[in-house]
Amino acid sequence: GNSVTQMEGPVTLSEEAFLTINCTYTATGYPSLFWYVQYPGEGLQLLLKATKADDKGSNKGFEATYRKETTSFHLEKGSVQVSDSAVYFCALINQGAQKLVFGQGTRLTINP
Amino acid sequence: DVKVTQSSRYLVKRTGEKVFLECVQDMDHENMFWYRQDPGLGLRLIYFSYDVKMKEKGDIPEGYSVSREKKERFSLILESASTNQTSMYLCASSIPGQALYGYTFGSGTRLTVV
Repeated sequence: GNSVTQMEGPVTLSEEAFLTINCTYTATGYPSLFWYVQYPGEGLQLLLKATKADDKGSNKGFEATYRKETTSFHLEKGSVQVSDSAVYFCALINQGAQKLVFGQGTRLTINP
Repeated sequence: DVKVTQSSRYLVKRTGEKVFLECVQDMDHENMFWYRQDPGLGLRLIYFSYDVKMKEKGDIPEGYSVSREKKERFSLILESASTNQTSMYLCASSIPGQALYGYTFGSGTRLTVV
């Protein structure tokens, strides 16, 4: 079956540090991959996406590259800010499917 | 912008009560979803609806039912609330076949059952 595994949290960094949140997946076929972000007290928002191998999704300084050979979609940011503190979810959806499959989420806290 | 609106941000109910969580979307999406979110467990799908009056069980449907009488509204019903249903509930909608666009989520309802 399809599944998504994220690195364990919580993750705590200082402002301007480099961020990586690991995400690996198991899927049949050729899934599309997503990162969602949940700020405190809010629902999930789509952060970025990639639909095929070697695609790079980017938004708000965050990037993730779809790596089919390692079945990974790691989230990176070169210099984090306090406002990036949130819970981050990696997700996938298979072609023709209707339901996203989510990872367990990683809580990120950025200290000033 | 697509909006998904959940009627309550916070709700406190007593054990045994029948609880209704309401979700409305304004972009004519066919698909609607109910998830619960718990620390360390991520999002777990409770129910999915792909059209009016059509529904499909998700991963954890026990203790829940749903109603979709109109396209824009998807209700989650806790028939007899229990303390283990204390959680954050998230509603989402999407367009069939538009997987590239992902889901649009509501802001969530934090339910406490006492």
